[in-house]
Amino acid sequence: EVQLVESGGDLVQPGRSLRISCAASGFTFDDYVMHWVRQPPGKGLEWVSAITWNSHTIDYADSVRGRFTISRDNAKHSLYLQMNSLRAEDTAFYYCAKGTGPYYGNFDSWGQGTLVTVSS
Amino acid sequence: EIVLTQSPGTLSLSPGERATLSCRASQSVTSSFLAWYQQKLGQAPRLLIYGASSRATGIPDRFSGSGSGTDFTLTISRLEPEDFAVYYCQHYGTSLYIFGQGTKLEIK
Repeated sequence: EVQLVESGGDLVQPGRSLRISCAASGFTFDDYVMHWVRQPPGKGLEWVSAITWNSHTIDYADSVRGRFTISRDNAKHSLYLQMNSLRAEDTAFYYCAKGTGPYYGNFDSWGQGTLVTVSS
Repeated sequence: EIVLTQSPGTLSLSPGERATLSCRASQSVTSSFLAWYQQKLGQAPRLLIYGASSRATGIPDRFSGSGSGTDFTLTISRLEPEDFAVYYCQHYGTSLYIFGQGTKLEIK
């Protein structure tokens, strides 16, 4: 069974940094593209970033490009999101999601999310 | 940039009824990467349909997807109490990964 467990969400002041993580199990992690998708409380879904199985291709939403960095450690079956220069509008549940293949497509498994709150 | 517009915003129906949810793209999109997700309150989204019409693993056959080009539909043939949730369409393409704004399916 696929399991994705996010961690690291916290209350952080605007302009500060935070790194969140996702521990994956139940599938061959290095066969799949991985994503971060976020959802402000009570609002809709927004894709944030993707990283291919070999980390050779990385994409970001315009809203986070230049501030967020996605990475993965296939040996540790883990996905990360380094978030810098955080803004109030970054407040959201951040979900780790598994892609349907090594490069692109849809999201076939999701974690339960970790809450990042940006506020002074 | 492609925009996905879902309608209606809220759909009020009773268990046993048929639900029809719409997702319209601002320009023609590839059906291969059109998906539907269900999100229940307090839970993560769950993949229901991929490739516009293929059911994901474990999804009951009362859920079906159809459409092509700019117009896509998610149909729930006979609503069960557990089907009341928010539904999102999503596409991968030149605009990368885009979600619709969601349709809330509520009990009438």
